[in-house]
Amino acid sequence: AQKITQTQPGMFVQEKEAVTLDCTYDTSDQSYGLFWYKQPSSGEMIFLIYQGSYDEQNATEGRYSLNFQKARKSTNLVISASQLGDSAMYFCAMREANTGNQFYFGTGTSLTVIP
Amino acid sequence: GAVVSQHPSRVICKSGTSVKIECRSLDFQATTMFWYRQFPKQSLMLMATSNEGSKATYEQGVEKDKFLINHASLTLSTLTVTSAHPEDSSFYICSARVAGNYNEQFFGPGTRLTVL
Repeated sequence: AQKITQTQPGMFVQEKEAVTLDCTYDTSDQSYGLFWYKQPSSGEMIFLIYQGSYDEQNATEGRYSLNFQKARKSTNLVISASQLGDSAMYFCAMREANTGNQFYFGTGTSLTVIP
Repeated sequence: GAVVSQHPSRVICKSGTSVKIECRSLDFQATTMFWYRQFPKQSLMLMATSNEGSKATYEQGVEKDKFLINHASLTLSTLTVTSAHPEDSSFYICSARVAGNYNEQFFGPGTRLTVL
């Protein structure tokens, strides 16, 4: 079974609008971490935001915030006030303690910001 | 934030040759480094985990004799693609982690390998 599922292969958003990128995960571990990375066309992976499984508050980092719903095993990324530079691939990832803390990545969502 | 470099950023080689890719943590000691492979428009697939001073742990389906990994120091890991073939053409990304800090994994900029 897929550990991380991103069901939106491509998304479009108008500049200055907000957009939500979906991510669901599958784990039986109680301790895990959830991450979002941005990968522009140049290829480097840029860390955006982190949510721990025990964190009760939704993580926020500037224009990025997470809608973490633990019971539903989802951690959706919200980007507010989209900018043209936000156009990139976005990957959701999970770290599980019981699998050696390696990272599992989703298939990614390609976000295009329209001027 | 911590910086991880990869060298070379791009390499083109002939089929049958070997290619070495270096991954360096520039301002921290990385006890664990990871090597990923990414095909166009696809996700990152973990190839192997390397711990300094010990043998790498390869993921299922990854040939350890094909993809040689050496993590000789706390700041350097190398991936050697031996006898490369066109199907080995891909984007290879390394990442590094500090001991005990499982929530921070710093990625290198990637190496694009093209085998002719």
